[in-house]
Amino acid sequence: KNEVEQSPQNLTAQEGEFITINCSYSVGISALHWLQQHPGGGIVSLFMLSSGKKKHGRLIATINIQEKHSSLHITASHPRDSAVYICAVRGVSGGGADGLTFGKGTHLIIQP
Amino acid sequence: NAGVTQTPKFQVLKTGQSMTLQCAQDMNHEYMSWYRQDPGMGLRLIHYSVGAGITDQGEVPNGYNVSRSTTEDFPLRLLSAAPSQTSVYFCASSISGGAYEQYFGPGTRLTVT
Repeated sequence: KNEVEQSPQNLTAQEGEFITINCSYSVGISALHWLQQHPGGGIVSLFMLSSGKKKHGRLIATINIQEKHSSLHITASHPRDSAVYICAVRGVSGGGADGLTFGKGTHLIIQP
Repeated sequence: NAGVTQTPKFQVLKTGQSMTLQCAQDMNHEYMSWYRQDPGMGLRLIHYSVGAGITDQGEVPNGYNVSRSTTEDFPLRLLSAAPSQTSVYFCASSISGGAYEQYFGPGTRLTVT
């Protein structure tokens, strides 16, 4: 079973700061997801990647397959970025369930 | 598109009661899944379905039952509620499993007393 570790668990920063959230996993994967969960509870997909880098607005996600590590960056952070950010991975074979293994999440607070 | 919908949003049950959490999607997705989210833990897979008529167990299936009679609907049944089933439940769908973008419902917060 893949172990997914996120760091930091909690992060408080000032508006405008550059934010980095890290995700490490123990076993090779075929896909990695970054998800965002707002205080209201809903979960939305930010990125799915299997190699390289993806960018959407102020969000950038990178993955290093050899090092089993991914990072989520937020540039020019804003209070509306305050949320829990969740990393989830899909195994190489997918497995019978073809489901995801989730990290515990990083709770980000951006102060004005 | 409504995406993935779940009902109810909140529910309180007494120990031993049964109930069904509803989940529906209008994106014609083959893969649907149920997760539970508990404090200090990542989401955990309860049951999943790869298409109408096909369901299987995930990581934590005990005490739950599912069926998939149509592509759109994937209800989760609690057979005899226990306090350990107090949790937030999320339904999700995707085109086909974990290699595709996941769409989550808004969640159901369940308390069992």
